[in-house]
Amino acid sequence: QLQLVEFGGGVVQPGRSLRLSCAASGFTLSTYGMHWVRQAPGKGLEWVAVISRDGSERYYADSVKGRFTISRDNSMYTLYLQMNSLKTEDTAVYYCAKEYFPGVGANGYFDYWGQGTLVTVSS
Amino acid sequence: QSALTQPPSASGSPGQSVTISCTGTSSDVGRYNFVSWYQQHPGKAPKLMIYEVNQRPSGVPDRFSGSKSGNTASLTVSGLQAEDEADYYCSSYAGSNSFVFGTGTKVAVL
Repeated sequence: QLQLVEFGGGVVQPGRSLRLSCAASGFTLSTYGMHWVRQAPGKGLEWVAVISRDGSERYYADSVKGRFTISRDNSMYTLYLQMNSLKTEDTAVYYCAKEYFPGVGANGYFDYWGQGTLVTVSS
Repeated sequence: QSALTQPPSASGSPGQSVTISCTGTSSDVGRYNFVSWYQQHPGKAPKLMIYEVNQRPSGVPDRFSGSKSGNTASLTVSGLQAEDEADYYCSSYAGSNSFVFGTGTKVAVL
């Protein structure tokens, strides 16, 4: 059974840091690109970042570029999102999501999602 | 990376069809066929319903279909059922290894 489980959300003050983790199981993580997608309370989905299957390529939404870092440890079957210099507008449920197709490129088709972890940035 | 534009709401009676539009630009929807659609029930994670404009993943009913013309993609749900009541989001590749979602449409089954 393929499963993605996010950890690490919580309440944090503006300007502080937080690291999210996503534990993967039921599939070969190293075969797929992986993404983080977020959803502010009552709002729509926003793509955050993507990492290639081997971690050599990483790309970010303009809204988080320079502040967030996506990484992965395929041996530990875990995806990460390091979030620095957090802003109130980063408050959202953060989902990790798996690419539908294996391979090098990312098409942005997300076939499995975790249950999400809530990050609240507030003083 | 501006969000794709969707109507806030759509509705139909059971058995009817509803079509949701997703309008982008010549830099995203209009340029690439990497368009997908997601269904999200309250409190749940999104579910992939359509990829590559009009392809259905295994397990998605053929009542769901997708299309694209110019800068606008569309999702049609035929034979509406109560369980189709949900939020729907489109998504597109936007170039330069970035992706963009639509603003979302709440579908009500009357």
